[in-house]
Amino acid sequence: QKEVEQDPGPLSVPEGAIVSLNCTYSNSAFQYFMWYRQYSRKGPELLMYTYSSGNKEDGRFTAQVDKSSKYISLFIRDSQPSDSATYLCAMTSGGGRRALTFGSGTRLQVQP
Amino acid sequence: NAGVTQTPKFRVLKTGQSMTLLCAQDMNHEYMYWYRQDPGMGLRLIHYSVGEGTTAKGEVPDGYNVSRLKKQNFLLGLESAAPSQTSVYFCASSLGLSNQPQHFGDGTRLSIL
Repeated sequence: QKEVEQDPGPLSVPEGAIVSLNCTYSNSAFQYFMWYRQYSRKGPELLMYTYSSGNKEDGRFTAQVDKSSKYISLFIRDSQPSDSATYLCAMTSGGGRRALTFGSGTRLQVQP
Repeated sequence: NAGVTQTPKFRVLKTGQSMTLLCAQDMNHEYMYWYRQDPGMGLRLIHYSVGEGTTAKGEVPDGYNVSRLKKQNFLLGLESAAPSQTSVYFCASSLGLSNQPQHFGDGTRLSIL
């Protein structure tokens, strides 16, 4: 079983829809959570960064962490065709020399 | 500001050939990483470096070697390429290892025939 699970999609939604992307994880030590967006033939770029449980909002994007359920979410409001990309979750326990653990990514398509 | 730059962008090799992928960052980051990305597998860490002159193994290090002779550069070498090494390779850098966000290059697409 992978440490981080993410539905690969593709997830197809109409423009303007609210999108929910999710990851589950098994390591209870994870406490730093990130979402990366990756356009086709490009490298991942950091979208959201959160520490521990709770919500964080940045424009149309909201990241949510529920450590008790080992579940994180990224919500995109008023989705746009330019949001069409693969979204990767990443997480780490922090401290020492522990690197990020990535989910395999969810491909999102926003139809105009 | 270029960020993280990878060269080359594409390469086709024959089995048994060797090559070196170059990564350069201009953000004065201490930490650098090499990943491979395969369909359904996500990003898997090959090797990483926590500073000039240091390297360490990641999740899938076999068949690869790395060097960090200068702080801004991180090289990934394939001594004898195998078809299983066909992948997209990404380099990343960060201020710190554990809880710091990583900044990625745009990848090198490598095909081994």
